[in-house]
Amino acid sequence: GNSVTQMEGPVTLSEEAFLTINCTYTATGYPSLFWYVQYPGEGLQLLLKATKADDKGSNKGFEATYRKETTSFHLEKGSVQVSDSAVYFCATVNQAGTALIFGKGTTLSVSS
Amino acid sequence: SQTIHQWPATLVQPVGSPLSLECTVEGTSNPNLYWYRQAAGRGLQLLFYSVGIGQISSEVPQNLSASRPQDRQFILSSKKLLLSDSGFYLCAWSVMVGPYEQYFGPGTRLTVT
Repeated sequence: GNSVTQMEGPVTLSEEAFLTINCTYTATGYPSLFWYVQYPGEGLQLLLKATKADDKGSNKGFEATYRKETTSFHLEKGSVQVSDSAVYFCATVNQAGTALIFGKGTTLSVSS
Repeated sequence: SQTIHQWPATLVQPVGSPLSLECTVEGTSNPNLYWYRQAAGRGLQLLFYSVGIGQISSEVPQNLSASRPQDRQFILSSKKLLLSDSGFYLCAWSVMVGPYEQYFGPGTRLTVT
């Protein structure tokens, strides 16, 4: 079935540093891909999405491009802030199209 | 706009006691509804999903059950809690047709003692 694999954390950065969190997918066809963010003690929030190959999702300075050739959907941000500290989840749709499948999450910690 | 509510926010229950967690969605009709569990330091595990009233699909065998008595209400239950049921329970909804993006509630922190 479909799956995603994301880099293990934690990722520790200084404020204004460049961020990359890797995510690769295995899927039948080209299902939609998502990045979610979870702040401490809260539910998940949709950060961005891409619904087809070569799409770029973007939101709040974060970007990710759906790359068919490398089966990847890496999350990037040019200049992180302390407020970006959270857990980030990569996700895709299961093969039946009934639910999302999430990666294990990557913890990002940004210090000032 | 759509909103999703979960309660209670936190719960401490003894082993062997029953459980009832509730989730309601406002501002949309006929949503797909989901229950996930997030154990400490681990990803999200899909427990149940529902595409309509009374229609529940279970993803993982366990001592939990789910019900959908109304279109926008989803309930997670257990007759007897186990220590391993501790975790963060998240309810989510999605539209019936589309790119399947899901929207999550604030979660319930369950500690079984």
